[in-house]
Amino acid sequence: QVQLQESGPGLVKPSQTLSLTCTVSGGSISSGGYYWSWIRQHPGKGLEWIGYIYYSGTTYYNSSLKSRVTISVDTSKNQFSLKLSSVTAADTAVYYCARLQSSYCSGGNCYPYHFDYWGQGTLVTVSS
Amino acid sequence: DIVMTQSPLSLPVTPGEPASISCRSSQSLLHSNGYNYLDWYLQKPGQSPQLLIYLGSNRASGVPDRFSGSGSGTDFTLKISRVEAEDVGVYYCMQGGTFGQGTRLEIK
Repeated sequence: QVQLQESGPGLVKPSQTLSLTCTVSGGSISSGGYYWSWIRQHPGKGLEWIGYIYYSGTTYYNSSLKSRVTISVDTSKNQFSLKLSSVTAADTAVYYCARLQSSYCSGGNCYPYHFDYWGQGTLVTVSS
Repeated sequence: DIVMTQSPLSLPVTPGEPASISCRSSQSLLHSNGYNYLDWYLQKPGQSPQLLIYLGSNRASGVPDRFSGSGSGTDFTLKISRVEAEDVGVYYCMQGGTFGQGTRLEIK
């Protein structure tokens, strides 16, 4: 059974960089076949896909966040990470990591579908 | 950008009764390969979302057969044939990383 666990600071100051790590157990990121993704949920609101990465390092990001997001992978630790720069209060959210079964491409961009395993989520508050 | 619109936003249902949630996309979701890349997720209270349906109509592993998905192009529907108490939560459709606003199912 694949399990994902988010970790990182729960409080980040405005203008700083939010950094989170997702540790995967029960499966190897480097075995391929899946993508690894970040999704967030603003308090009391809906879900927003942030981006995803393949074990090779190939990434795809939500266009609305692309200028501030970096997702990376460390196969030796079976982890992948999220960095979101220049944060504001609007970035306060529960951040989830998830395994992505597949993606599809259209119009020169690639998109996720079929998130089959999710972490429990971690609340990150942006405040001074 | 694609906009996903769900209705209703709130859905009170008597146990044992059917329920239906609509998801409409501002653009056709029918890919040139013939697939509709539309997922349905359920977020139970206090939990992470869980996958119910993928590719519009395929039930995810372990999902009871009272859940079914249908539709193509811009109009999709999630149906629950007989609602149970454990089905309470917020249902989201998703296409290409864009989620609908969610439909909250509650028991009457």
